[in-house]
Formats: sequence, structure tokens, C-alpha cells
Amino acid sequence: DGGITQSPKYLFRKEGQNVTLSCEQNLNHDAMYWYRQDPGQGLRLIYYSQIVNDFQKGDIAEGYSVSREKKESFPLTVTSAQKNPTAFYLCASSIIGQQYSNQPQHFGDGTRLSIL
Amino acid sequence: QKEVEQNSGPLSVPEGAIASLNCTYSDRGSQSFFWYRQYSGKSPELIMFIYSNGDKEDGRFTAQLNKASQYVSLLIRDSQPSDSATYLCVLGTSYGKLTFGQGTILTVHP
Repeated sequence: DGGITQSPKYLFRKEGQNVTLSCEQNLNHDAMYWYRQDPGQGLRLIYYSQIVNDFQKGDIAEGYSVSREKKESFPLTVTSAQKNPTAFYLCASSIIGQQYSNQPQHFGDGTRLSIL
Repeated sequence: QKEVEQNSGPLSVPEGAIASLNCTYSDRGSQSFFWYRQYSGKSPELIMFIYSNGDKEDGRFTAQLNKASQYVSLLIRDSQPSDSATYLCVLGTSYGKLTFGQGTILTVHP
């Protein structure tokens, strides 16, 4: 079945440590996105990528980094510079159509990150 | 003014009733509108999208869009307890970026 796989489901970070969240999709989607969701709040965009080897900062990119070496994969690294990393992290993907803004995004099951 | 405004709720309706979820937005250039459902602890799932003024029906769900009033709504007919979730109003903006509302919590009680 086609879909988006995020791993791990739960992750714990020690102070000063970088951690990487995995996101893989087999939907053949060109665009991929990372969001952060805090309790009782909406989703906020961290980074997005429309094509391999290219990505753009979203609204809250500080303390995060990404790479897009393959179309299927868009890993997110939460660096030690991110002082409040505890949140629910969601990866999404979409096709790029003629009217780019009109395409819905499909989400993975998320990774819940906590500080030890 | 927030880009997407939703009443956070909770909205409580009895089983079998119509649930009406409302959303207003500030960007007149928005072209696409989505409703996502998010169960507690889970990721959002797409339930409806609408691009043109008017109504769009899909099963028990009807999305309504009025671009002149910058208003979009979701009606759920014959509400079931399994519809209890947070409903996110989402706008499609430039470069495929989505702007999310904070969501309305819906509770359907038996």
C-alpha cells in the first residue's frame, strides 16, 4: 500500500544531542513537508521541499535541518540549538500540479519527541 | 487577525444531529480549502476539499465556500460518536504551503 512512513513513533532526546526523524513516502510525490504540532495548537511548517536536493525554510526553521537526497526521503534533524523540541512532528507529501496551491497534503503517523 | 480563524469549541451535538463547523480566513487570494480530521494523538486525515464557491457534498459531509465573505464551513449530517475529533480548517496558499487553523473540537454524544 502507498503511504508515508515516519519513524520512530516515539523519540527521546538528551540535552545537547541531535536527533533525526525519518520520513519515507512511496506515493511518488514531488513535494514533502515537515510540521510541528504543540498541544492545543495548529500545525506549523518547519521545512518543505519541492524537488530533490532543494528545500526551503518554513515558519519555524531555527534549530532544525533537513536533506532531500532522494525523492522518497526527507529526514528532519532536531539539533541541540532547538531549546524546546518537545512536540508532535508530522511529515506530509503532495503532488505538484498545474495549480500548485490546490493539492492536498497527506500525512504520516507522526513522531512524538520528548526531552529526557 | 489570525490567517485562519476557527472556534476552538468544544462543539457538542447529539448523535444523529447535524454538526456545523465554521472557519473564516483573511487572505482573499486563497484558492483552495481543505478540511482535515484529527483524532486525539493521531495525524490529520483529509476529509474534504473545495475550490469553488458553493457547496460540495461527499457522503455525510458537505463543504461550503463563500469567497466574498471569506467563509468556509463543514456540515456533518447524521453525526456519529466516531465523528468526535478535532476538525482543522486549512487554506492552500502559494508554493503548495498550507495554513492551518487551530481546529474545532467536536464531541458527538449518544
